[in-house]
Amino acid sequence: GENVEQHPSTLSVQEGDSAVIKCTYSDSASNYFPWYKQELGKRPQLIIDIRSNVGEKKDQRIAVTLNKTAKHFSLHITETQPEDSAVYFCAAGGTSYGKLTFGQGTILTVHP
Amino acid sequence: KAGVTQTPRYLIKTRGQQVTLSCSPISGHRSVSWYQQTPGQGLQFLFEYFSETQRNKGNFPGRFSGRQFSNSRSEMNVSTLELGDSALYLCASSLAPGPSYEQYFGPGTRLTVT
Repeated sequence: GENVEQHPSTLSVQEGDSAVIKCTYSDSASNYFPWYKQELGKRPQLIIDIRSNVGEKKDQRIAVTLNKTAKHFSLHITETQPEDSAVYFCAAGGTSYGKLTFGQGTILTVHP
Repeated sequence: KAGVTQTPRYLIKTRGQQVTLSCSPISGHRSVSWYQQTPGQGLQFLFEYFSETQRNKGNFPGRFSGRQFSNSRSEMNVSTLELGDSALYLCASSLAPGPSYEQYFGPGTRLTVT
C-alpha cells in the first residue's frame, strides 16, 4: 500500500521567515496531494492541494510543488505569522477511491 | 453551508463495551470517510462510504464497522472496545469519492476507553 513520509517532524521559525515541509510517497499511481492544517483541539483544515497534472500551485502565502519523477511534494509558507503555528499534514490519494494516506505531521511554531 | 458535524464530541467507555459514532456530511456531499487519529499512529484511514455502500476499507480489525444512510449520514461502530481504541475519530465528506473531490473534516469524536 501507499506510504507517506513527512519531514521535519518539528519546525521552528521566526515571524516573517519561510517554512518548508517535505513529503515523499511510495505509490507512483497516486495523483492527488492535499495539505491539511490542524490547530490544537480543532479539525484538520484543507489549505491547499495539487493534482498530478500540475507541478506547482500557489494561494497567497502558501505554495505546493510536486515532483512526480522523484515522488515528492513540498509545502512552502512565506512570510510566516504566529497564526500559522499548527500541525501540518501532507497526504496522498487517488489510487483507491477517496482514501488518503497521511504523513506523520509537522509541528510548525512561528515565534513573534 | 454548514460544515461536517459529528456527534457526540466526547465519549468515555469501558473496555468490552461498544460505541456508535455519527457523522453528518456537508449538504450535497455523498461520500463519507472515517479516520482514526492517535499521537502514535497519526491519521489512519478506516473506511469510506458512497451511495450507502462501503467502497474502501483500511487495515483495521472487524470490530470496526460502519454504514451510510440514504441521506448520506454515516455511523461507525466499534465493538468490544480495547484501551488502544482511545483516539480522535474524524469523518470527512466529499461530493463523491476519488481525487477530483476535496475532503472536508468534521470536528471529531474524542473516545476514551478505560
